[in-house]
Amino acid sequence: RKEVEQDPGPFNVPEGATVAFNCTYSNSASQSFFWYRQDCRKEPKLLMSVYSSGNEDGRFTAQLNRASQYISLLIRDSKLSDSATYLCVVPTLDNTDKLIFGTGTRLQVFP
Amino acid sequence: EAQVTQNPRYLITVTGKKLTVTCSQNMNHEYMSWYRQDPGLGLRQIYYSMNVEVTDKGDVPEGYKVSRKEKRNFPLILESPSPNQTSLYFCASALGGYEQFFGPGTRLTVL
Repeated sequence: RKEVEQDPGPFNVPEGATVAFNCTYSNSASQSFFWYRQDCRKEPKLLMSVYSSGNEDGRFTAQLNRASQYISLLIRDSKLSDSATYLCVVPTLDNTDKLIFGTGTRLQVFP
Repeated sequence: EAQVTQNPRYLITVTGKKLTVTCSQNMNHEYMSWYRQDPGLGLRQIYYSMNVEVTDKGDVPEGYKVSRKEKRNFPLILESPSPNQTSLYFCASALGGYEQFFGPGTRLTVL
């Protein structure tokens, strides 16, 4: 099983829709998780951190399900500008600050 | 402005011709890292550095070298590039903890 797995998509949704992506992780001891956003051919940028059960920031909600070892990202009221690839990120547990990146889920919001 | 810079942004070269990609950050971060990003494989860590004069291999270090003589700079050296090193390269830095700030990327083509 890969350390971090994501559905590559693409998820094609109309403006205003609600969309959710899941990410599964293999290390049950993981305590913190991150979603990064990457626009086409640009650098990844931190979107949200998830440390306990979840986190909410405006239209974005991240939730953690420890029993099933997955985190989800929910985007409400999708905007055209939300079109991007969303990377699920899990730190290793070896005190090196190393991050393990999922391959990303591509979202395309259309008018 | 707090940022990570990389140069060059685009490079086309030939097999065997040594090259260096520079990376510099102005945030006084101790941690720096190099990644390569390939379709379907996500971001993979090449080398990282926890502080000046401290560097360690990541997941795909073969064919690369790095140095960390000063805190702000972390150059990536390809002594004898080969076509399988054609990729999109990102440098990143972090204060400690897990928010990594990425440079704009260097698109390298090795013919």
